[in-house]
Amino acid sequence: GDSVTQMEGPVTLSEEAFLTINCTYTATGYPSLFWYVQYPGEGLQLLLKATKADDKGSNKGFEATYRKETTSFHLEKGSVQVSDSAVYFCALSISNFGNEKLTFGTGTRLTIIP
Amino acid sequence: DAGITQSPRYKITETGRQVTLMCHQTWSHSYMFWYRQDLGHGLRLIYYSAAADITDKGEVPDGYVVSRSKTENFPLTLESATRSQTSVYFCASSGQGSPYYGYTFGSGTRLTVV
Repeated sequence: GDSVTQMEGPVTLSEEAFLTINCTYTATGYPSLFWYVQYPGEGLQLLLKATKADDKGSNKGFEATYRKETTSFHLEKGSVQVSDSAVYFCALSISNFGNEKLTFGTGTRLTIIP
Repeated sequence: DAGITQSPRYKITETGRQVTLMCHQTWSHSYMFWYRQDLGHGLRLIYYSAAADITDKGEVPDGYVVSRSKTENFPLTLESATRSQTSVYFCASSGQGSPYYGYTFGSGTRLTVV
């Protein structure tokens, strides 16, 4: 079945460090890919998305590029801030005649220290 | 208040008891979802609904019952709670069937079954 694999956490970085959170997927069709973020005590929020190969999603300084050849959608940010501390989820969906649902990875907890 | 609200935020119940988690949204979104979040598993879909009176099973429906008599409400009932149902439960809604437009999540209900 379709699945998403994320790098193990937790990840701890210093402020202004470069961030990469790895995400790879397995899918039978052509998925759309997403990153969601969950801040402490809150529900998940859509961070960015990409719907086809070589698309780059971006938001709030975060970027991810849909790489079909490596089945990856790694999340990156050039300079993290304390406010970026959260849990990040990679997810995919596949069109199935209107019956699309999100499949999530296990999440990666990110902590940024000043 | 506008948005999607879940209640209660925290619940402790005993094994074998029935418990209902509430979800209410104010946007008249057609689609609503229930997920559970467990360490090492990420978010897994329990049930979803495409409209009032239309519900369908997700990945892990056993032990759960849902109803949707009104568009804005989507309660989740554990008919006889078990310790394996200890989890954080998230409700989500979407105006479109496709995840492309993003799901809006509630803040979650932390359920402990003792």
